[in-house]
Amino acid sequence: KAGVTQTPRYLIKTRGQQVTLSCSPISGHRSVSWYQQTPGQGLQFLFEYFSETQRNKGNFPGRFSGRQFSNSRSEMNVSTLELGDSALYLCASSLEGGQLYTGELFFGEGSRLTVL
Amino acid sequence: TQLLEQSPQFLSIQEGENLTVYCNSSSVFSSLQWYRQEPGEGPVLLVTVVTGGEVKKLKRLTFQFGDARKDSSLHITAAQPGDTGLYLCAGGGRGSTLGRLYFGRGTQLTVWP
Repeated sequence: KAGVTQTPRYLIKTRGQQVTLSCSPISGHRSVSWYQQTPGQGLQFLFEYFSETQRNKGNFPGRFSGRQFSNSRSEMNVSTLELGDSALYLCASSLEGGQLYTGELFFGEGSRLTVL
Repeated sequence: TQLLEQSPQFLSIQEGENLTVYCNSSSVFSSLQWYRQEPGEGPVLLVTVVTGGEVKKLKRLTFQFGDARKDSSLHITAAQPGDTGLYLCAGGGRGSTLGRLYFGRGTQLTVWP
């Protein structure tokens, strides 16, 4: 079956702009999580959605937001971009998310955002 | 503050050598997972351990979960160049943080032929 699909794969923005990233989970997976990966901080949790509801949120400013649609596809938005937002943004899906104690995630290839 | 500390951060070895990567925390996790990430790709799950003291083997890789479910180790026997990659440990949240994984910063492994 198809894996997690993220679009776009690469994008370049300038400070102050906003960006929207998209994620299509594995068919049948209802939980979608977003992570930011940078060389200095590693993978940092942004938020998790399950059945269109945000169930968990990490310690990121309000400029970072997301949503999930009824077909489980998810988008995340970053407004008023800063240089420090340059990172690889990873989306991951799982069958039930936190309902299963293992919480195994299946990751997409990521969206590489560069802010100039 | 990183909830999970991985060591070493970098590891460069020759083909055929053995190695161990450590993942430590002061927190208890519901589960502990190991992922491997290659350049330009997302992390791929290698194994999940859920019971304190559990040991799992995946070919040349041996994973262990600490008795107190706070730490884990990954041991690779006779490393091969194909093992090169970023190894990440991740702890599963509990209670109010169920559905969230806490990642270590990773161990970058390079195996030279």
